[in-house]
Order: sequence, then C-alpha cells, then structure tokens
Amino acid sequence: DTGVSQDPRHKITKRGQNVTFRCDPISEHNRLYWYRQTLGQGPEFLTYFQNEAQLEKSRLLSDRFSAERPKGSFSTLEIQRTEQGDSAMYLCASRVAASGGTDTQYFGPGTRLTVL
Amino acid sequence: SQQGEEDPQALSIQEGENATMNCSYKTSINNLQWYRQNSGRGLVHLILIRSNEREKHSGRLRVTLDTSKKSSSLLITASRAADTASYFCATYSGSARQLTFGSGTQLTVLP
Repeated sequence: DTGVSQDPRHKITKRGQNVTFRCDPISEHNRLYWYRQTLGQGPEFLTYFQNEAQLEKSRLLSDRFSAERPKGSFSTLEIQRTEQGDSAMYLCASRVAASGGTDTQYFGPGTRLTVL
Repeated sequence: SQQGEEDPQALSIQEGENATMNCSYKTSINNLQWYRQNSGRGLVHLILIRSNEREKHSGRLRVTLDTSKKSSSLLITASRAADTASYFCATYSGSARQLTFGSGTQLTVLP
C-alpha cells in the first residue's frame, strides 16, 4: 500500500500523559499536513511541513503540541500533558507542492486519541 | 476555525435518488474541493473545482461553484448505499496554503 499511513490507529491515555503519533506520507510528497477533527466537525488545520521545514502553525497548536519531520520523510506529532479536550481524531495528509499542482491532499486513516 | 457552512447537516435518501449538498465559504479562494469520509476513517478526495470554473463532472458527481455568492454544491446522482458517508467541502487559497474545511453533511442512503 503506497498511501499515507498513520500509527497508532487508536490511543487511549490518561490525562497528563504524553503521546506521540507518527505519519508516513506518500514517498514523493514534499508537503505534509496535520489536522485535528472532533466529532461532528470537519478537520481543522494544525501545522504543515515543506520537506523538513515547518512552515505554518495554527493557533490551535498550543505549547503542549510539537511536530517534527526529520529528513523530510515521516513526521511525528507529540502532545505533552494531555488534557481531555485533546480527545479527537488526528489526521495526516500529504501532497506534492509544485507549480501547477492540483492542491489535492491525500489523507491517512487517522489516529483516534481518547484522553481519560 | 471552519471556513464555512454546509447544508444540510444531515440528509437521508433512498437508493437511486439524487443527493445535493451545499457549501458556503467566506474568503476568496483558488479552488474548492469535496472530500468523503466514511465513519471513523480518513478523508478521500472526490473532486476539485478551480475558481475560474463554474461546473465540473466526475462520474456520478457534479460540482458547481458560484464565486459571486461564495457557494458550491455537490450533486450525487443515482445514489447507492455505499455513498453513505460524511461529505466535506474544503477551500484552498494561495495565502492560506492549506485546506479549510466546512462542517460537513452526513449522507445516509437507504437500500
């Protein structure tokens, strides 16, 4: 399967614990996005990378959140000191950013986080 | 924050009928995209329409865009039970460089 993959698919944690999610984009895609989706809502943008550089962060991305994309390949999203309000589906997407590109993003299956 | 609103929030139809979903947005855009999400899964891209296009077709899908009204519609013809999913519109603008999603329409197609 050459699509976007995310790991784990589900994570249950206790409030105050740290969690880390991984995203493996489609191999030739240089742009990688993280979104958060709560029940009954559309995805909300968190941050994106162009290769290894983090180019934009949403105000939703508090200091407890950090994302990395070392070497411009896979990416990790870490949430420190989790709160119940962090419970959501975390989606990763990737695309090729090039002149004349279609701006279509390809999404992974998501990681569902439940904070008890 | 969500870019816009989708209407209706939920739609239930019989198999074979057509389904129409509407999307309104707030800012100027480069393009508008529609995505489908099956329950608890990731999003799948359906169709993209550029700001200089008014209508686009792909299989059983027809999308219209009215930039003067900042609105779009998605028509699914001859619906099937497998079309049951949530449908989201998403706008892309050059300044934002990321997709901004609406709140979605939950479509249920009854066999």
